[in-house]
Amino acid sequence: DIVITQSPDSLAVSLGERATINCKTSQSVLYSSDNKNYLGWYQQKPGQPPKLLIYWASTRESGVPDRYSGSGSGTDFTLTISSLQAEDVAVYYCQQYYNPPHTFGQGTKLEI
Amino acid sequence: EVQLVQSGAEVKKPGESLKISCKGSGYSFSTYWIGWVRQMPGKGLEWMGIIYPLDSDTRYSPSFQGQVTISADRSISTAYLQWSTLKASDTAIYYCARLQAGAIDSWGQGTQVTVSS
Repeated sequence: DIVITQSPDSLAVSLGERATINCKTSQSVLYSSDNKNYLGWYQQKPGQPPKLLIYWASTRESGVPDRYSGSGSGTDFTLTISSLQAEDVAVYYCQQYYNPPHTFGQGTKLEI
Repeated sequence: EVQLVQSGAEVKKPGESLKISCKGSGYSFSTYWIGWVRQMPGKGLEWMGIIYPLDSDTRYSPSFQGQVTISADRSISTAYLQWSTLKASDTAIYYCARLQAGAIDSWGQGTQVTVSS
């Protein structure tokens, strides 16, 4: 199985400031035949199912605000929220879908 | 609009069996992988397995292989997750999810399963 390590486990950021969450996979999730990184980012608010924010490591899902961005390749990835809003308080997960099982990171709790 | 609607909360005793469901609508159910994700109380997301309804090709996480059965009935656009013998440690919220090229682009509302004597 591909193991994913997210950091930090929790993060407190002031409103309007930048938040950065990291995700490291135990092996590369870059598929050479299509040059895509098989990695996604999800946001989960209390009492709700998760929501897809980013896929292919850097493609924003339709309707996701442009303050969210994803970057990285191979084994190291980052989710950046450029200017934190109150509604961004949530737990964030990365997930690899390169190989089954499509493992998740342990989650990062983002607070104001 | 893509929708995944799951069956309601369940309260069971250890040793009992259970089958929960997830009905898809608003898309071609047979041609998208459907998966199940577990979230234990206060914990993170765990990928359990997926099924391709068109041919019932199923992949399980090693952590869940032999512990649960994933199935689908494409005639009624419904996927299932079942247990033959529940344990207290199966207490969790279970989400069904539609995969789009591997990423999960739609989620069910979740089914709370509580196993307690």
